[in-house]
Amino acid sequence: AQKVTQAQTEISVVEKEDVTLDCVYETRDTTYYLFWYKQPPSGELVFLIRRNSFDEQNEISGRYSWNFQKSTSSFNFTITASQVVDSAVYFCALKTGANNLFFGTGTRLTVIP
Amino acid sequence: EAGVVQSPRYKIIEKKQPVAFWCNPISGHNTLYWYLQNLGQGPELLIRYENEEAVDDSQLPKDRFSAERLKGVDSTLKIQPAELGDSAVYLCASSSRTGGDTGELFFGEGSRLTVL
Repeated sequence: AQKVTQAQTEISVVEKEDVTLDCVYETRDTTYYLFWYKQPPSGELVFLIRRNSFDEQNEISGRYSWNFQKSTSSFNFTITASQVVDSAVYFCALKTGANNLFFGTGTRLTVIP
Repeated sequence: EAGVVQSPRYKIIEKKQPVAFWCNPISGHNTLYWYLQNLGQGPELLIRYENEEAVDDSQLPKDRFSAERLKGVDSTLKIQPAELGDSAVYLCASSSRTGGDTGELFFGEGSRLTVL
């Protein structure tokens, strides 16, 4: 069985603060992919990052960084120096084998100017 | 390059009425997905097409929902008759063959359905 838990339903930060979005996953598969998608107010989900289960190297892309830890089954997402345009709902997702993407319930981030 | 196009963006109907949603995927993407997103929830897959073949429709409520992708390009999702609980956003997504294997999907803006 697959499960993705995003315990933070809503987060509000003031512009320029750093913020971390948590994601905890469950799967019995040894090979899987983890994802983060962003859903701005316009509605379309936008792919941000994919990590496979064999690559625990953390990644930084501009103001975004991701911390993948298999030992705690977590794949957390940090936004540094947040901006108003970062306001959106962020979804963590899991894919195992030929199965489809399984999304968490999302975290709504509001960045206050 | 044009993204995934969906229409209508918004639809309000009374219960028991039929409704249809249309999706045009990114050119060249052979895989097309319909997702259901309830308020405050993540998207849930309804059906996945590989070209014109529905390869996963296990979560599609077949008593009232139907979908088609006749020529392996655009697709239509229909609900007949609609119920109050069908109020949600219906998202269409597409992916290339490799993108589908690795989960990189491109989504449309969705069709928001309100059933009164």
